[in-house]
Amino acid sequence: SQKIEQNSEALNIQEGKTATLTCNYTNYSPAYLQWYRQDPGRGPVFLLLIRENEKEKRKERLKVTFDTTLKQSLFHITASQPADSATYLCALPTSGGSYIPTFGRGTSLIVHP
Amino acid sequence: ETGVTQTPRHLVMGMTNKKSLKCEQHLGHNAMYWYKQSAKKPLELMFVYNFKEQTENNSVPSRFSPECPNSSHLFLHLHTLQPEDSALYLCASRPSGGSTDTQYFGPGTRLTVL
Repeated sequence: SQKIEQNSEALNIQEGKTATLTCNYTNYSPAYLQWYRQDPGRGPVFLLLIRENEKEKRKERLKVTFDTTLKQSLFHITASQPADSATYLCALPTSGGSYIPTFGRGTSLIVHP
Repeated sequence: ETGVTQTPRHLVMGMTNKKSLKCEQHLGHNAMYWYKQSAKKPLELMFVYNFKEQTENNSVPSRFSPECPNSSHLFLHLHTLQPEDSALYLCASRPSGGSTDTQYFGPGTRLTVL
């Protein structure tokens, strides 16, 4: 099964700076990788999907990179705002085409005004 | 809103009670999922339904009983739960026919077992 590692320590940054979150995986290389945002007591919300043949994906202030050699994805939020404070989850597909994702524990981002 | 609703949003129950969680999706999806999320732990898959048929049971104790009467509704029936079952229970749906497992989550039910 896939093992996903996300920094368990909260990331604290100042408003306006770029936040960078890391997702590492240890087993097979997935066909794609996803990032979700989760606010306290709420369900995760899908943000971005990046495929194995894509190096980078952007959506507004969000940017995701995918390095299958390093088995790592980086998630960037530029010009961060206090409203970006949340937990960000990385998810990879479970092998076998079952359409069941495996989620990381998530990293908490706190943006200070 | 994601088009997936869950009721109730909060539930407190004793270990001898019987209760049900409800999930409804208005997205036209045909796959629905139940997850458990405990503090400081990753999302834990419980059940998967595709076109009303259960396709995954992740070794969930029988005190959790799912029901999927149609592709839009999913229930989780609870009975004789334990305090360690206290968690956020999340329902999700997925578009059928797609090439990815992107999940559309509901807001969750915060369950407390006394």
